[in-house]
Amino acid sequence: QLQLQESGPGLVKTSETLSLTCTVSGGSISSSSYYWGWIRQPPGKGLEWIGSIYYSGGTYCNPSLKSRVTISVDTSKNQFSLKLSSVIAADTAVYYCAGEIAAPEIHYYYGVDVWGQGTTVTVSS
Amino acid sequence: QSALTQPASVSGSPGQSITISCTGTSSDVGAYDSVSWYQQHPGKAPKLMIYDVTNRPSGVSNRFSGSKSDNTASLTISGLQAEDEADYYCTSYTTTSTRVFGGGTKVTVL
Repeated sequence: QLQLQESGPGLVKTSETLSLTCTVSGGSISSSSYYWGWIRQPPGKGLEWIGSIYYSGGTYCNPSLKSRVTISVDTSKNQFSLKLSSVIAADTAVYYCAGEIAAPEIHYYYGVDVWGQGTTVTVSS
Repeated sequence: QSALTQPASVSGSPGQSITISCTGTSSDVGAYDSVSWYQQHPGKAPKLMIYDVTNRPSGVSNRFSGSKSDNTASLTISGLQAEDEADYYCTSYTTTSTRVFGGGTKVTVL
């Protein structure tokens, strides 16, 4: 059974770069079925899709965050990562890594099939 | 892209049916049959309840059903139970291959 686990600092200073890693277990990150993504949830607020990457490197990002977001994949470690630059207090949130089933070439999207448990990141000066 | 529009809250008594709407545009909800719904209990990760507008993943109760008309999708919970009290989020695939969530709906069982 596929499982995801986020890791990274719980506290990031304003204007610095937030870096998180998601480790995939119980399956290969090179699975043709999955896009690997990041979703966040500010305290008391709703979910926001950040972006996703395919194991071969194709990425899609939320237009509102695109200029600050880098998503990468390391198939040798079965991991994928998120970097969010120039963070501000509004970037404080629970960050979830996610396995999405999608096929953009045929405009198909099933949804998030597997979630990490979430990790809280606080941005503060 | 703008978030999909959901009512902030919906409530119902045990055994009743409730419906949550999710309104988007012709660039997301109205573009494809790729609308999903998630249930989230406090402090937990969301759980997929509906995919492809109407389909339930294995293990999800048949009390949950989905539909779509033009740019609005809906989630109906029949035979409301105490355990259904949670936040519900819709999400849609978009014409630019991104995804967009709704703002979320808090369901209260009276």
